Amino acid sequence: EIVMTQSPATLSVSPGERAALSCRASQSVSSNLAWYQQKPGQAPRLLMYGASTRATGVPARFSGSGSGTEFTLTISSLQSEDFAVYYCQQYNNWPPLTFGGGTKVEIK
Amino acid sequence: QVQLVQSGAEVKKPGASVKVSCKASGYTFTNSAMNWVRQAPGQRLEWMGWVNTANGDTRYSQKFQDRVTITRDTSASTVYLELSSLRSEDTAVYYCATRPGLAVAGFDFWGQGSLVTVSS
Repeated sequence: EIVMTQSPATLSVSPGERAALSCRASQSVSSNLAWYQQKPGQAPRLLMYGASTRATGVPARFSGSGSGTEFTLTISSLQSEDFAVYYCQQYNNWPPLTFGGGTKVEIK
Repeated sequence: QVQLVQSGAEVKKPGASVKVSCKASGYTFTNSAMNWVRQAPGQRLEWMGWVNTANGDTRYSQKFQDRVTITRDTSASTVYLELSSLRSEDTAVYYCATRPGLAVAGFDFWGQGSLVTVSS
């Protein structure tokens, strides 16, 4: 099973600032990585797939990079609606599909 | 538009079974596989299994292999998750999730979630 590790667990950022979230895989997942945003009481929302392709309707301030075992989700200028928990997920080797432990982006 | 509507909250005793449903609309049901993902309170998302809605083929996480069954009813455009031998650690919100096609990748569409509480 591929283990996904996200860091930091919590990121405190001021509105308008840039945020960089990290996701590491225990073995290579190529570019088969997705990112999700989840707000309290809601289902996850797909942000990114193929490591760097934005899903439909996702604002351009979200960007993804990386391949192999190291990935980054960058939010260029945080808006109030971006404060949430973010998860990465690998779909290269399955079953099982596996998720990271999440990074909570909170208001500084 | 694609909609996944799940059944309501359940309260079960340890050792019992639960069956959660997910009714799909807004697309051709058999063109997209369905997945089940759960989230215990304050925990990460956890993938449980996948069903090919066209032929009923399934794949499960080894963690749940002995206790989980995913089925589908094509006439009702509905997928079911059944989890047996429930224990307190199974208390979670259970989501169905899908994307266009049968391949696994990021899940574009999610149900609203079904809370299952296991308590004596």
